[in-house]
Amino acid sequence: DQQVKQNSPSLSVQEGRISILNCDYTNSMFDYFLWYKKYPAEGPTFLISISSIKDKNEDGRFTVFLNKSAKHLSLHIVPSQPGDSAVYFCAASGGANDYKLSFGAGTTVTVRA
Amino acid sequence: NAGVTQTPKFQVLKTGQSMTLQCAQDMNHEYMSWYRQDPGMGLRLIHYSVGAGITDQGEVPNGYNVSRSTTEDFPLRLLSAAPSQTSVYFCASSYSTNQPQHFGDGTRLSIL
Repeated sequence: DQQVKQNSPSLSVQEGRISILNCDYTNSMFDYFLWYKKYPAEGPTFLISISSIKDKNEDGRFTVFLNKSAKHLSLHIVPSQPGDSAVYFCAASGGANDYKLSFGAGTTVTVRA
Repeated sequence: NAGVTQTPKFQVLKTGQSMTLQCAQDMNHEYMSWYRQDPGMGLRLIHYSVGAGITDQGEVPNGYNVSRSTTEDFPLRLLSAAPSQTSVYFCASSYSTNQPQHFGDGTRLSIL
């Protein structure tokens, strides 16, 4: 049973607009969340993370929001650029005592010029 | 910096053959892991290690063996390959828990 779900397999957005990617989880023990970006024929690259003590973390154009009560997190990319076209994976772990990551199935983002 | 290096990049096997996928990291990371990626399923953890001499099973360990004799290396062994093991395999490492894992570029494995 998949504990991390990304229900949108794909997202198309115009260059300069906001991209919003969503992720839901079922395991209430998860307390560390990450987003990875993946280009074809490459490994996933770490993008941004958030721990459960926060509800928002920002890094340049990327912001992750965490809603613990809803078991939901989202990634905002503003503004979207052509180089952002990739597959984005949401991942979660049990934090300091748990190294294992559970991944969502990924969302393919296409940024249109 | 090399980071996490996986070899080979591609491999085709016949059913029943054995194979070792290599993974090496030069960041002195204690934590290492192996994942497989299948279409529509994201990455699933096969085995992981929290230090030299210590390994444990992940979500999908059946058909795979690992060992960790040094901090740098974490090979994944398929003892008798099956078509269901056709996948892309990623190795990752990190300094500790609550730190992002760094991934290699993967090994694409096809089993006929």
